[in-house]
Amino acid sequence: GAVVSQHPSWVICKSGTSVKIECRSLDFQATTMFWYRQFPKQSLMLMATSNEGSKATYEQGVEKDKFLINHASLTLSTLTVTSAHPEDSSFYICSARKASGANVLTFGAGSRLTVL
Amino acid sequence: LAKTTQPISMDSYEGQEVNITCSHNNIATNDYITWYQQFPSQGPRFIIQGYKTKVTNEVASLFIPADRKSSTLSLPRVSLSDTAVYYCLVEGRDDKIIFGKGTRLHILP
Repeated sequence: GAVVSQHPSWVICKSGTSVKIECRSLDFQATTMFWYRQFPKQSLMLMATSNEGSKATYEQGVEKDKFLINHASLTLSTLTVTSAHPEDSSFYICSARKASGANVLTFGAGSRLTVL
Repeated sequence: LAKTTQPISMDSYEGQEVNITCSHNNIATNDYITWYQQFPSQGPRFIIQGYKTKVTNEVASLFIPADRKSSTLSLPRVSLSDTAVYYCLVEGRDDKIIFGKGTRLHILP
């Protein structure tokens, strides 16, 4: 079946540093990847839609200069949280949609970011 | 905004059948209905997808009436490990995927 690998699974960083999270589709090509963040007891909030080879489309209220998304290949998308602050602490989840076939998303296991 | 409405929470007992209904009054012709399951601190996991009538797989059934304005996820003989949040999504092939609040299912012994 389709597998999405996301890492790191957890990261702790100091305020002001940048953190990169990788999302890889291991056995399929993903033309579209989605990045979400999730706070405790809440639903997933879409941050941006990433299409291979083009700029990501950010949701309203999501700072594109703070959350840099790169989708350089059909199997890899990265999210970089720049100049992280404690309020950026959250659970970040990526998902990938196959280039063709059923409209089903495969999700990564998520990355827990804690900014001190 | 999410296109779906679900109960916020449900409780059931081990061994029971659980039915979670989702309303999607404005579903479009090319939209599919997909259900995902999420455990704490994990990414969501695909359960089942359908377009109309009934779909069944090894873990669940999905019932969709003719007007497609609602759907019901049926989990047969639940166990404690089915305690999770269940999300109903209605999306077209090229749509961005917006999650609603989901249904928090709590299975009791």
